[in-house]
Amino acid sequence: EIVLTQSPATLSLSPGERATLSCRASQSVSNYLAWYQQRPGQAPRLLIYDASNRATGVPARFSGSGSGTDFTLTIDSLEPEDFAVYYCHQRSSWPPVTFGQGTRLEI
Amino acid sequence: EVQLVESGGGLVQPGGSLRLSCVGYGFIFSEPYMDWVRQAPGKGLEWVGRIRNKGNSYITDYAASVKGRFTISRDDSKNSVYLHMNSLKTEDTAVYYCARVVSIALDYWGQGTLVTVSS
Repeated sequence: EIVLTQSPATLSLSPGERATLSCRASQSVSNYLAWYQQRPGQAPRLLIYDASNRATGVPARFSGSGSGTDFTLTIDSLEPEDFAVYYCHQRSSWPPVTFGQGTRLEI
Repeated sequence: EVQLVESGGGLVQPGGSLRLSCVGYGFIFSEPYMDWVRQAPGKGLEWVGRIRNKGNSYITDYAASVKGRFTISRDDSKNSVYLHMNSLKTEDTAVYYCARVVSIALDYWGQGTLVTVSS
C-alpha cells in the first residue's frame, strides 16, 4: 500500500498570500497524483490531476508540481473561498486507492 | 452536466445492514469505473471500494476495513451503483460518497449520504 503523507497538517495564512502544500508518497507514484479541495459541508472537488494539470474550471492560481515521491500544490494570491481542506490522492498502484490525511488551510 | 446523487443513508444499529444507492446523470454511466469513498465525522477521506465496468467483468476491489462485509454492485440499465453494507460497526459511521473514476482521477463526486451506526 502506498502511503501519502501531507504537510503541514494546518496552514494559517491571509488572503492574498501564497500557500504551499506538500504531499510525499512512500514509494514512487510517477506523476499519477491528484489534488482535491473540500470546503465545509461539501464533497471533494478535483483540482489537479497527473501532478500538474488543472481540472476543468479550476482557476489559474492553483498549480501543481512534482514527480516520483514529492509533490506540491501551490495557491497564488489566496482568495477567501480557497480556505478549505486539501487532499492528495494517488492512482499509480491500487488497490487500495489511497489519500493523504489532508491539509487544512485556514485564515 | 455530470451529476451523482446518493441516497439510502440513515441510522442503523450495530450488526445491521444498509444499502446505499448512487444514480449518475449526464454521462454514459456504463463506461467508467465507480468508487465509494467515506469520511468519518471530522476525519479525512477513506476509500471503501471500486467496481469496474462491463468490459472489465465488473470486478470489485475493497479496502481491508470493509472486505467481507461490504459489497459493491452496479446496474448500468438504471445508471446506478450500490453499496451493500452488512455487519455494520460503530466505526462505519461516516458520510459515504460515490465518485466517477476516469483515467486521470475521481473527477465527479456526489453530495454524500450520512450513515450512523449506533444503538
